[in-house]
Amino acid sequence: QKEVEQNSGPLSVPEGAIASLNCTYSDRGSQSFFWYRQYSGKSPELIMSIYSNGDKEDGRFTAQLNKASQYVSLLIRDSQPSDSATYLCATRRGGYQKVTFGTGTKLQVIP
Amino acid sequence: DADVTQTPRNRITKTGKRIMLECSQTKGHDRMYWYRQDPGLGLRLIYYSFDVKDINKGEISDGYSVSRQAQAKFSLSLESAIPNQTALYFCATSTPDRRGEQFFGPGTRLTVL
Repeated sequence: QKEVEQNSGPLSVPEGAIASLNCTYSDRGSQSFFWYRQYSGKSPELIMSIYSNGDKEDGRFTAQLNKASQYVSLLIRDSQPSDSATYLCATRRGGYQKVTFGTGTKLQVIP
Repeated sequence: DADVTQTPRNRITKTGKRIMLECSQTKGHDRMYWYRQDPGLGLRLIYYSFDVKDINKGEISDGYSVSRQAQAKFSLSLESAIPNQTALYFCATSTPDRRGEQFFGPGTRLTVL
């Protein structure tokens, strides 16, 4: 079992719709959770961090964390073609600095 | 100016050659990392350093070595490059607090022929 699992996609959504990206993790000691956006050939860019159960909103992005279910999700409202990218989920165990990345979900926003 | 820079951005080399990839940062972070990214395999940690005197192996350190010359500089070396080291290499730094958010450099695309 991979430590951080994501559906590779592609996930296709029409422009203006809500994109829902999901991630599960296996390490119950994980305490920090991140979403990175990576355009093709570019470096990952941190877009959201979440540390406690519930929702965290930042503009069009909402991260959701459920530690009991070991599940993290990212919602993108009013999706734009510029949101088309690969989204990486990552976790970090408390007290350590090693971050474990999933292999990413490719999102395609269709105009 | 970019907070995390990497040189070179692209490199083509031959099997058996020694290669050094360099990373510099102006974020003031103590913690620095080297990753490689391959299609379908995601980001894999090669080495990481919590400060100048602390260097640790990651999950795929074989065939690589590192040097932390200063707080701001962390170099990755391939002593004798082989074709399966062809990949995209990223340097990253992380915040010094418990959150551990990581910030990536632009990457080096390395091709070993």
